[in-house]
Amino acid sequence: DAGITQSPRHKVTETGTPVTLRCHQTENHRYMYWYRQDPGHGLRLIHYSYGVKDTDKGEVSDGYSVSRSKTEDFLLTLESATSSQTSVYFCAISDPRGGATNEKLFFGSGTQLSVL
Amino acid sequence: AQKVTQAQTEISVVEKEDVTLDCVYETRDTTYYLFWYKQPPSGELVFLIRRNSFDEQNEISGRYSWNFQKSTSSFNFTITASQVVDSAVYFCALSNNQGGKLIFGQGTELSVKP
Repeated sequence: DAGITQSPRHKVTETGTPVTLRCHQTENHRYMYWYRQDPGHGLRLIHYSYGVKDTDKGEVSDGYSVSRSKTEDFLLTLESATSSQTSVYFCAISDPRGGATNEKLFFGSGTQLSVL
Repeated sequence: AQKVTQAQTEISVVEKEDVTLDCVYETRDTTYYLFWYKQPPSGELVFLIRRNSFDEQNEISGRYSWNFQKSTSSFNFTITASQVVDSAVYFCALSNNQGGKLIFGQGTELSVKP
């Protein structure tokens, strides 16, 4: 199994509060991603990183920010949580070797976030 | 725009039946990659297969097989002789060769009853 740890695993928070989710990897993979999973939508990409301090927006980035100060850590922040951000959040990593940018993604176990 | 459609929201079969999960995709790119992932009740996502757009050969792995047809933009997944352990949500996904940014379908929940 890929060494990906997401924390916390579960969180309940109130509307308007800031929330930070952490993804930690031990694989030294260059690419890291944050997805959210919602019924009827599958998984949707929030933000991704292709290296330390190199990040970009995904499909559903509004209301989220990310930071990557070290190869192993990728943080997702909800500056002011809303009920629409109640979801399961997955971190993923990939390792594009030899120029191939579509190696498979390895996923963490997910974080269940409830915003009340 | 890219899109993946899994029209079957839920499928229920009895153990040992064969079952096919449908996946239809849309893309304007000539180079792209297709994936299937399994999400068992425990919640983690498990990689099953990756196929690039230039390789239309069907693939078989044990009881699993995949049928890729560019003419119909489909990448269907068949489980032969299904087992209870196959019960999971299965996702089809598409990538356009931009660093692993996958577009997922809505998922198909497969229930295999004993």
